[in-house]
Amino acid sequence: DIQLTQSPSFLSASVGDRVTITCRASQGISSYLAWYQQKPGKAPKLLIYDASTLQSGVPSRFSGSESGTEFTLTISSLQPEDFATYYCLHLNDYPYTFGQGTKLEIK
Amino acid sequence: QVQLVQSGAEVKIPGASVKVSCKASGYTFTTNYIHGVRQAPGQGLEWMGIIDPSGGATNYAQKFQGRVTLTRDTSTSTVYLELSSLRSEDTAVYYCARSMGSSSDDALDIWGQGTMVTVSS
Repeated sequence: DIQLTQSPSFLSASVGDRVTITCRASQGISSYLAWYQQKPGKAPKLLIYDASTLQSGVPSRFSGSESGTEFTLTISSLQPEDFATYYCLHLNDYPYTFGQGTKLEIK
Repeated sequence: QVQLVQSGAEVKIPGASVKVSCKASGYTFTTNYIHGVRQAPGQGLEWMGIIDPSGGATNYAQKFQGRVTLTRDTSTSTVYLELSSLRSEDTAVYYCARSMGSSSDDALDIWGQGTMVTVSS
């Protein structure tokens, strides 16, 4: 099975900061990676798919990139509503798996 | 609008089975795959399996093989996730989610509201 190692697990940042979350796959997954945002008590929300394509309606401060088996979610300027938990998900081959999550907290 | 509406919360005793429903609306039900995902309290997301609503083909995570079954009813645009031999570790919120395109490897774009399943004696 393909494992996704997401880092950091916790991130403390301030409004206006630029933050980066990384997801490393245990083997090649092409660009079959998506990023999700989840707030407490809510279902996950799709932010990025195919590693770097912004989902419709998602603010442009969110972006995704890839370099080999390393994938990155960047938030260019944190807004108060961005404090949440973020997950990556690969869809390269069964079974699909999620990263462990990154909880983004207000500093 | 496109939505997935799930059934309500369940409380089950260990060893029992639970069946969660997921009713789709606002799009052509047989076009998009449906996934099952769960989240234990305070934990991360866990992919359980996928069903093709068109033909009914399924694929499950090895961890749940033999215990999980995804089925669909095309007449009501509903997918069912059944988990058997429940144990306390199965206490979680169970989600259904739709693939955004017609391919099984498309990202999950629409999610149900979640169904809390509690397993307790």
